[in-house]
Amino acid sequence: QVHLVQSGADVKKPGSSVKVSCKASGGTSSNYAISWVRQAPGQGLEWMGGIIPLFGTANYAQRFQGRVTITTDESTSTTYMELSSLRSDDTAVYYCARVVGWAFEYWGQGTLVTVSS
Amino acid sequence: SYVLTQPPSVSVAPGQTARITCGGNNIGDKSVHWYLQKPGQAPVLVVYDDSDRPSGIPERFSGSNSGNTATLTISRVEAGDEADYYCQVWDSSRDHYVFGTGTKVTVL
Repeated sequence: QVHLVQSGADVKKPGSSVKVSCKASGGTSSNYAISWVRQAPGQGLEWMGGIIPLFGTANYAQRFQGRVTITTDESTSTTYMELSSLRSDDTAVYYCARVVGWAFEYWGQGTLVTVSS
Repeated sequence: SYVLTQPPSVSVAPGQTARITCGGNNIGDKSVHWYLQKPGQAPVLVVYDDSDRPSGIPERFSGSNSGNTATLTISRVEAGDEADYYCQVWDSSRDHYVFGTGTKVTVL
């Protein structure tokens, strides 16, 4: 069984950056893409970007281009999502998810990032 | 950009059938995946590739996809099915994943 465990909640100032981690266990993780999806309070799901750990290449949703960076450390089966120039509307729960086919089969528990001065 | 439109809410009595639609331009040409999400929890995949179920998902959950509409059907609805439901596709023209707007299912 695959488990994705994310880092804990964080509070950030506007204009700063946040880096959220997602550690995978179980299965052959590096062959599967990991995506990041966020959910603002009371809102729907929004795909931010993803990476295939085996290849290390990432692609990003257009609205986050230039602000988000997704990286992976194969040695620890950990994927990271860093979001910069934080604004109050970046306050959200951030999820990592493992992609199988074109579906998000396994999800992390979510990480609440609060942006507040 | 590719847009997936869902009804904001669906209400259904226990034991009845709930149908949740997901509208998109020629969505029948894409593979559609469905998730349920309960308050404070991560989403759970309930149907993938239009109509397949992951292991552990009851047969009461089924899907179909044709033309401009995909549908998630929940048969013999139970109180525990009350959740938000999202459809999702891969938009190959932009190499992006797209989620639907979400539907809140209320069991009366």
